Amino acid sequence: AQSVAQPEDQVNVAEGNPLTVKCTYSVSGNPYLFWYVQYPNRGLQFLLKYITGDNLVKGSYGFEAEFNKSQTSFHLKKPSALVSDSALYFCAVRGDSGTYKYIFGTGTRLKVLA
Amino acid sequence: EPEVTQTPSHQVTQMGQEVILRCVPISNHLYFYWYRQILGQKVEFLVSFYNNEISEKSEIFDDQFSVERPDGSNFTLKIRSTKLEDSAMYFCASSIRLGPNEKLFFGSGTQLSVL
Repeated sequence: AQSVAQPEDQVNVAEGNPLTVKCTYSVSGNPYLFWYVQYPNRGLQFLLKYITGDNLVKGSYGFEAEFNKSQTSFHLKKPSALVSDSALYFCAVRGDSGTYKYIFGTGTRLKVLA
Repeated sequence: EPEVTQTPSHQVTQMGQEVILRCVPISNHLYFYWYRQILGQKVEFLVSFYNNEISEKSEIFDDQFSVERPDGSNFTLKIRSTKLEDSAMYFCASSIRLGPNEKLFFGSGTQLSVL
């Protein structure tokens, strides 16, 4: 069975500081991993993904994420947070063993303080 | 960038009534999904649809739910007899393919309120 854990309901960070939003996963087969962001009253927007290759993937708005197979993690990072990064962030996984289904984590609310 | 379009944006209905939520996926996409989100929290998988049939469904997707792609462009979710606990934001999503270039595109959602 596929699952995703986002252990923090909320992350607070000061503007200009680095941020990390954590995600761990469990999946059959190789993982396809994603981060999505949701602004109030909007749908989810794609940020970045890991399918294969380099463990460090770069995405939109200066975000990046590091795939760690041994720790089954895919943490989202940004070197310098902006107030406009404040939003709800979701990690998602799909296993490559014949499933079409993406499983989302419970979301982490990021609050960047000016 | 191309968009997934959902209508209506808000739907209020009485318990026991049928509702149909509509989605227009991106035109050349092949994989279609419905998800729901309750109170801005967890995003729950309902159903995936490919090649004109359901490919997977969750436990939530019981006999009260159905999906259709009636005309090759629209993708609908029907709830036959709504319950209070069906109140949620329902998101449609689509993807052109699965594999190295896969990416889900989401609509802006339909907020369903069951009274």
